[in-house]
Amino acid sequence: KAGVTQTPRYLIKTRGQQVTLSCSPISGHRSVSWYQQTPGQGLQFLFEYFSETQRNKGNFPGRFSGRQFSNSRSEMNVSTLELGDSALYLCASSPGQGAGTDTQYFGPGTRLTVL
Amino acid sequence: AQKVTQAQTEISVVEKEDVTLDCVYETRDTTYYLFWYKQPPSGELVFLIRRNSFDEQNEISGRYSWNFQKSTSSFNFTITASQVVDSAVYFCALSEASNYGQNFVFGPGTRLSVLP
Repeated sequence: KAGVTQTPRYLIKTRGQQVTLSCSPISGHRSVSWYQQTPGQGLQFLFEYFSETQRNKGNFPGRFSGRQFSNSRSEMNVSTLELGDSALYLCASSPGQGAGTDTQYFGPGTRLTVL
Repeated sequence: AQKVTQAQTEISVVEKEDVTLDCVYETRDTTYYLFWYKQPPSGELVFLIRRNSFDEQNEISGRYSWNFQKSTSSFNFTITASQVVDSAVYFCALSEASNYGQNFVFGPGTRLSVLP
């Protein structure tokens, strides 16, 4: 099976702009989670989508949003970018039914740089 | 609240040495899952192992072994006869079974450098 794919791999934006990141999960997986990784804060959970519904949400401002499509692909959007949003954004997929018990499989990440 | 601590920020060893990466967790749930992931320089998190709270058997997979001790809330990872390719950041993670949906809590990671 193909792994989790994320596009684009690299992005450079300026403050105030918005950005959309895409994630395609492993075939058959219905849960997609997003994480932000920074040197200072480490890996932090953003949100999780399952069957096109947000099932869980971390502690991030409303500028961070997401959605999931019927084919389980997911997009994450960040509006009004700030310098502190520069990070590696990782997407993870899992079968979904097991909720907190599933193993998550990660994609290669999108490295976002905000200038 | 869930919490994962990896006290070792960075470790350097010479090839063929054994190395143990420590992981201590906190949870109020009786049913939970622990994970180890490897993050090479490419950035992708690679899944290594998943262990549930009811299975305290140690596990060995090739040069890798894991020691789970509920009494000390620890889930340590040992690499035997380390190799340069083992150089990466290693993360320990915790997921409570009562979670509504997926929400891993990761430790801060341990950067392992294996020198030739």
